[in-house]
Amino acid sequence: RKEVEQDPGPFNVPEGATVAFNCTYSNSASQSFFWYRQDCRKEPKLLMSVYSSGNEDGRFTAQLNRASQYISLLIRDSKLSDSATYLCVVNENTGNQFYFGTGTSLTVIP
Amino acid sequence: DAGVTQSPTHLIKTRGQQVTLRCSPKSGHDTVSWYQQALGQGPQFIFQYYEEEERQRGNFPDRFSGHQFPNYSSELNVNALLLGDSALYLCASRYQQDEQYFGPGTRLTVT
Repeated sequence: RKEVEQDPGPFNVPEGATVAFNCTYSNSASQSFFWYRQDCRKEPKLLMSVYSSGNEDGRFTAQLNRASQYISLLIRDSKLSDSATYLCVVNENTGNQFYFGTGTSLTVIP
Repeated sequence: DAGVTQSPTHLIKTRGQQVTLRCSPKSGHDTVSWYQQALGQGPQFIFQYYEEEERQRGNFPDRFSGHQFPNYSSELNVNALLLGDSALYLCASRYQQDEQYFGPGTRLTVT
């Protein structure tokens, strides 16, 4: 079983739509959780960390459910510039190894 | 302040050859990790270097080796290249447990 699993999509949504991505992880001892964004042929960049209490950054909201071992990312009022691949990332308790999901592809359509 | 830099940008090698990829971490960062990202996949952890030692290793064969220098820069070496080694190789640096920053990657093609 993979350490981190995501629906690869693709998700094609109109501008202004709300879209949600989910991700599950297998190791209940995992400590830190992140969403990264990766544009085509570019390196991943940190979008936001995910905390147990949930956190919001503008149009983006991330939530963590430790009991069910899943992480979510909600994007409201989608913009064309949100088109990218969104990677779910989990860091286990050693802090040294980051596990990436396969990524979920999002295309926002005019 | 330069971010993480990697060289070369692109590389074409033949099966059986050896390759060395290079990474310079972001200023102030002391930890370097290497990842392999195949097309359509997420990055896979190869190993991490800290204080010139390999601190942790992912599920990669011994053909993959690395080194970290006193200035924190790092090399990834791959011996006996296989077609399946074709991928984007990403270097990421961080300071202690802070956020990880990625370099632009080296795209390796093995023919």
